[in-house]
Amino acid sequence: DAKTTQPTSMDCAEGRAANLPCNHSTISGNEYVYWYRQIHSQGPQYIIHGLKNNETNEMASLIITEDRKSSTLILPHATLRDTAVYYCIVRVASWEYGNKLVFGAGTILRVKS
Amino acid sequence: KAGVTQTPRYLIKTRGQQVTLSCSPISGHRSVSWYQQTPGQGLQFLFEYFSETQRNKGNFPGRFSGRQFSNSRSEMNVSTLELGDSALYLCASSLQGLGNQPQHFGDGTRLSIL
Repeated sequence: DAKTTQPTSMDCAEGRAANLPCNHSTISGNEYVYWYRQIHSQGPQYIIHGLKNNETNEMASLIITEDRKSSTLILPHATLRDTAVYYCIVRVASWEYGNKLVFGAGTILRVKS
Repeated sequence: KAGVTQTPRYLIKTRGQQVTLSCSPISGHRSVSWYQQTPGQGLQFLFEYFSETQRNKGNFPGRFSGRQFSNSRSEMNVSTLELGDSALYLCASSLQGLGNQPQHFGDGTRLSIL
């Protein structure tokens, strides 16, 4: 089962910041928080990941609370092309666990003009 | 840099047949994972290969199998196809499969079983 809880859907006005929350209250010290998104009929697209510190890249910012029990993905200026399903995933960082990602249902983000 | 390439993009088979799907990872990536996506079950992990060895396996029957070649390319095979195997099959690659190395997905093979 997925170790994260996300809202089922959210709406955002075009040009405004989209803030997508994720709860991962049982996260362990060696687990990373990953965000992916999936646009219809395409494979999931990697957005960003982090362990403890806030992270920013050309696509988004990731804010992780100090206790690491929740995080927020921020798309600073949402466009219509950002309409997608957004997945928050907690990923174990052990060699034996390998590359297994456990996806939940995600959040459907609708950006509206 | 080319992304993850999956072939074919679409495939139609009938019950009882078998199918082989192919995945070419990003150049330099040695870990390849496979996922199944259906409307009912969502995205589910099938298995992962690293250096030609299966490192992790999801909860799927033995009809689902895979392999990885020395050039890191991977194939997955489904035998004795069932209607419920209709799905989008996704392949993802990463450098070594370590926790801080993101996986990058292809656009999948859509398999329809008649």
